[in-house]
Amino acid sequence: AQSVTQPDIHITVSEGASLELRCNYSYGATPYLFWYVQSPGQGLQLLLKYFSGDTLVQGIKGFEAEFKRSQSSFNLRKPSVHWSDAAEYFCAVGESYNTDKLIFGTGTRLQVFP
Amino acid sequence: KAGVTQTPRYLIKTRGQQVTLSCSPISGHRSVSWYQQTPGQGLQFLFEYFSETQRNKGNFPGRFSGRQFSNSRSEMNVSTLELGDSALYLCASSGRQGPGNTIYFGEGSWLTVV
Repeated sequence: AQSVTQPDIHITVSEGASLELRCNYSYGATPYLFWYVQSPGQGLQLLLKYFSGDTLVQGIKGFEAEFKRSQSSFNLRKPSVHWSDAAEYFCAVGESYNTDKLIFGTGTRLQVFP
Repeated sequence: KAGVTQTPRYLIKTRGQQVTLSCSPISGHRSVSWYQQTPGQGLQFLFEYFSETQRNKGNFPGRFSGRQFSNSRSEMNVSTLELGDSALYLCASSGRQGPGNTIYFGEGSWLTVV
C-alpha cells in the first residue's frame, strides 16, 4: 500500500536560513506527489505538485521540490525562510491515477526564529 | 474565482447527536473529497464523490456518510456523535480525476463533541 513518511516532526530555523523538509514515499508506479502547507486554524494550501516531467518542481511562495525516484523522495526546499513560513507542512501521494484520494504524511511543523 | 467553501466553520455538538457539514467546490469542479484531521490520527480520507457517485470510501464506521448533489455541492453527515469525532473536517475539490490533477482544500469545519 502507498505510504508517505515525513521523518522530521518539528524543525526550527532562523529567518533567512535555507530549509529542506524531507518526504519519502512508497508507491509502485510513478507517484503523484503534493506538498501542502497549513497555518494554525486554517485549511491546506497547495504549494506544488509533481506528476511527470521535470523532476525539479517550482511552487508558490518561493518553494521548490525535487523528485528523486532512486531515493523515493520528494523533499521540499526554500533558499531563504521568512517568518511567515512558520506553519505545518504535509507531503502527500495520490493513491492511484483514477482517484483524488491522497495519502498524507504526518506533517512537519516549522518554527522560524527572527 | 471563489475557493472551496465549507460551512459551518465551527460547531459544538453533544455526544449522541448528529451533524451535517456542507462543502461547495470551486465552480466547475465535479470531484469532491472529504478528510478528517485529528492530532492523533493526522489526515485521514473519508470519501470521494464524482458526478454524484461515491467513487472511494475510507476506513470509517457507517456513522459517517456523505452525498453529492447535481450542482456538485457535497454534504457529509456523522450520526450518533462520539467524543472521538472531534476534529477538523476538510473538503477538497478538483476539476477532474486522474494524473496531473490539482486538488484544492477548503478552510475546514471544526467540530467539537462534548
